[in-house]
Amino acid sequence: QQQVKQSPQSLIVQKGGISIINCAYENTAFDYFPWYQQFPGKGPALLIAIRPDVSEKKEGRFTISFNKSAKQFSLHIMDSQPGDSATYFCAASRGNTPLVFGKGTRLSVIA
Amino acid sequence: KAGVTQTPRYLIKTRGQQVTLSCSPISGHRSVSWYQQTPGQGLQFLFEYFSETQRNKGNFPGRFSGRQFSNSRSEMNVSTLELGDSALYLCASSPGLGLNTEAFFGQGTRLTVV
Repeated sequence: QQQVKQSPQSLIVQKGGISIINCAYENTAFDYFPWYQQFPGKGPALLIAIRPDVSEKKEGRFTISFNKSAKQFSLHIMDSQPGDSATYFCAASRGNTPLVFGKGTRLSVIA
Repeated sequence: KAGVTQTPRYLIKTRGQQVTLSCSPISGHRSVSWYQQTPGQGLQFLFEYFSETQRNKGNFPGRFSGRQFSNSRSEMNVSTLELGDSALYLCASSPGLGLNTEAFFGQGTRLTVV
């Protein structure tokens, strides 16, 4: 049973555009929602994270939007750049339990 | 501050063999988790160690095992390798138990079983 569903699997965005990746979760006990960025040949790196007591968190060009009632959260990358081309993973966890990851979105930003 | 170090980076093994992978966490981090990454299944949790004790375990067969040493370094072992074990094995360290604090991943060990 996949507890975190991520879409789309792949995304192509023009340079300067907005990239949007969505995730839906099932377990209402989840209380931590991070996004990871992974470049080829590298391990995932934490990009930004949110807890359910806020509906939005912004760090530079990256924003997480969180909708608790819909059990959904999304990553928005503003002014997307070719250097943002990577695979993005959403994840969720509760308490001290391990992270459950979505299956990833491969983002390509083209000039 | 040195990051998470995983060795070896690449490994080729034959079916039926066993393999040991190593992870050195960031200095001061006491929690180490292991994940298996494959194109089809994404990142799947294997196990987590804290203070030399396994605290969480994923849904993998008993052929997958691990341990943590007093210096927080961790190893994972896979016995009787199968072709389906080919994957990128990632180690993540964090200061405390669980990953609700920032987890830092290593570059992984690419295991190929032939």
